[in-house]
Amino acid sequence: DAGVTQSPTHLIKTRGQQVTLRCSPKSGHDTVSWYQQALGQGPQFIFQYYEEEERQRGNFPDRFSGHQFPNYSSELNVNALLLGDSALYLCASSWDRGSHEQYFGPGTRLTVT
Amino acid sequence: AQSVTQLGSHVSVSEGALVLLRCNYSSSVPPYLFWYVQYPNQGLQLLLKYTSAATLVKGINGFEAEFKKSETSFHLTKPSAHMSDAAEYFCAVSGPSGGSYIPTFGRGTSLIVHP
Repeated sequence: DAGVTQSPTHLIKTRGQQVTLRCSPKSGHDTVSWYQQALGQGPQFIFQYYEEEERQRGNFPDRFSGHQFPNYSSELNVNALLLGDSALYLCASSWDRGSHEQYFGPGTRLTVT
Repeated sequence: AQSVTQLGSHVSVSEGALVLLRCNYSSSVPPYLFWYVQYPNQGLQLLLKYTSAATLVKGINGFEAEFKKSETSFHLTKPSAHMSDAAEYFCAVSGPSGGSYIPTFGRGTSLIVHP
């Protein structure tokens, strides 16, 4: 049983560009959450997707958007990249009717130059 | 609103010594509490969770944590540290919000284990 997978592993972009990160949830999970983890910090919640809709959103600008597909996989899109967007982006999946524990993927390391 | 405070950004112990990582939480509703571990260049792995059952929670790799409501604490302990325990540890609190449970994480504590 594969856990949460994310792609790509690493990514280097230039300021002003756009980026798309991808996540496949753990088998049996229907909810996907995205987090940004800056160096030396804990993960910060970006948004959560359930039933292909954004259910909750953290304190992030509209430059951050997402999507969930019918197979529960998800994408995170960031437009007009800033240097401050450099971070580890973590995807976590869970089962909406479960114990609310989230399973994390290995993350995508985004570097903006 | 919910929040987590992890006391000490770094904790250093000798191999074989007791590990104690401190976590205090704030939550307006009965919380779910979690400890996660993160090894370099990896995602977060769940160590243990408290979901209003037993107050002493046992997790993987010999770790355990005790929920103390009166102290709003959920400290993580391990009787004897191993070199492989060196990692970043995150405490998180979760409660119902908008129909879902979104954990709020602390800033993390880096555990350093000396031989």
